[in-house]
Amino acid sequence: TQLLEQSPQFLSIQEGENLTVYCNSSSVFSSLQWYRQEPGEGPVLLVTVVTGGEVKKLKRLTFQFGDARKDSSLHITAAQPGDTGLYLCAGDNAGNNRKLIWGLGTSLAVNP
Amino acid sequence: KAGVTQTPRYLIKTRGQQVTLSCSPISGHRSVSWYQQTPGQGLQFLFEYFSETQRNKGNFPGRFSGRQFSNSRSEMNVSTLELGDSALYLCASSSISGSNEQFFGPGTRLTVL
Repeated sequence: TQLLEQSPQFLSIQEGENLTVYCNSSSVFSSLQWYRQEPGEGPVLLVTVVTGGEVKKLKRLTFQFGDARKDSSLHITAAQPGDTGLYLCAGDNAGNNRKLIWGLGTSLAVNP
Repeated sequence: KAGVTQTPRYLIKTRGQQVTLSCSPISGHRSVSWYQQTPGQGLQFLFEYFSETQRNKGNFPGRFSGRQFSNSRSEMNVSTLELGDSALYLCASSSISGSNEQFFGPGTRLTVL
């Protein structure tokens, strides 16, 4: 069974702090996606990483895909209240039974 | 381009009833996936439809079913509702490019009393 473990599960920080969210698996994925979900809404895709070792930046958010394509991290610099939400990672197994494998999410609260 | 729409947004049912949820994907997207989201279990994959055919299925009982129409719109049905079916049901469409990126609707919040 393929699993994606996200940590931490909950994070409450002050505005201006930095944070890192981790997404780990023992399985190899063809790509990995990060989503953010706000209360009452569906998840919104932030980024897709495809190549082992790839680093992508989206303003203050930095995403990295592990060299072996089994893990990923999301780093937020100088967090703002608008970053508050549930961050979800999803790995694409790209096999015959292709589907996304989802982590349980990291609930982030950034306090002003 | 209009996003994914889901109706209704909120629904309250009692145990034993059945419910039908509707999803309209982004224009041009032929793949529609359904997910159940609960605080304890996270996002659980229900099924995926592509060109009116179920292409993939998660580990849910047969009470959960779906279909897709020729215009790519999709419905899911849950029969004989149980208290544990209370959840946010999300629909996502995908253009099935190489990355399988999902575009989600706002969800239907189902409460079973």
